[in-house]
Amino acid sequence: DAGITQSPRHKVTETGTPVTLRCHQTENHRYMYWYRQDPGHGLRLIHYSYGVKDTDKGEVSDGYSVSRSKTEDFLLTLESATSSQTSVYFCAINRGGENTEAFFGQGTRLTVV
Amino acid sequence: AQSVSQHNHHVILSEAASLELGCNYSYGGTVNLFWYVQYPGQHLQLLLKYFSGDPLVKGIKGFEAEFIKSKFSFNLRKPSVQWSDTAEYFCAVSASKIIFGSGTRLSIRP
Repeated sequence: DAGITQSPRHKVTETGTPVTLRCHQTENHRYMYWYRQDPGHGLRLIHYSYGVKDTDKGEVSDGYSVSRSKTEDFLLTLESATSSQTSVYFCAINRGGENTEAFFGQGTRLTVV
Repeated sequence: AQSVSQHNHHVILSEAASLELGCNYSYGGTVNLFWYVQYPGQHLQLLLKYFSGDPLVKGIKGFEAEFIKSKFSFNLRKPSVQWSDTAEYFCAVSASKIIFGSGTRLSIRP
């Protein structure tokens, strides 16, 4: 498996609290992604990064922010968690350029009560 | 903008039946295409990929997919499924970013 670690793996939080999820890679890959997985919706892209301090929005970015201050870490922050953000969050990495696939982390199950 | 459609949300087959899962994408330029599989409780794993060349690509565990450019399709096939193929299958398109379809849940009756 690619060297991707997501933390925490499980979290329960209250509505209105801030939450930060961490994705750490040891592969030195350029691209990093955050997705959320919900039944019937597959994986939807939240934000992605194409380099240190370079990020862009995905399909469902409202309510989320990201930061990438170094190659190996990509942080996803929910500024004020809502119940609609209860989901499983996956981080993925990709070397970039042509002919490369994404490798996924184990996922973080987040419950907002 | 990139998008991916998977036509079948839930497919139920008996062991040894043949499988075909549909995937269509929309994007005006060159794309890379993937099928990923997610076994219960696990993360996504790559089944197969198409970058260029032969439009019929073979992946792991006997799966294959055919890229038909004129139809913007990349359907997944397997001649004879096994109970262990029970999983969720995702088609993905990579251009400027990687976008996934909504997934197809495959259930195999023993």
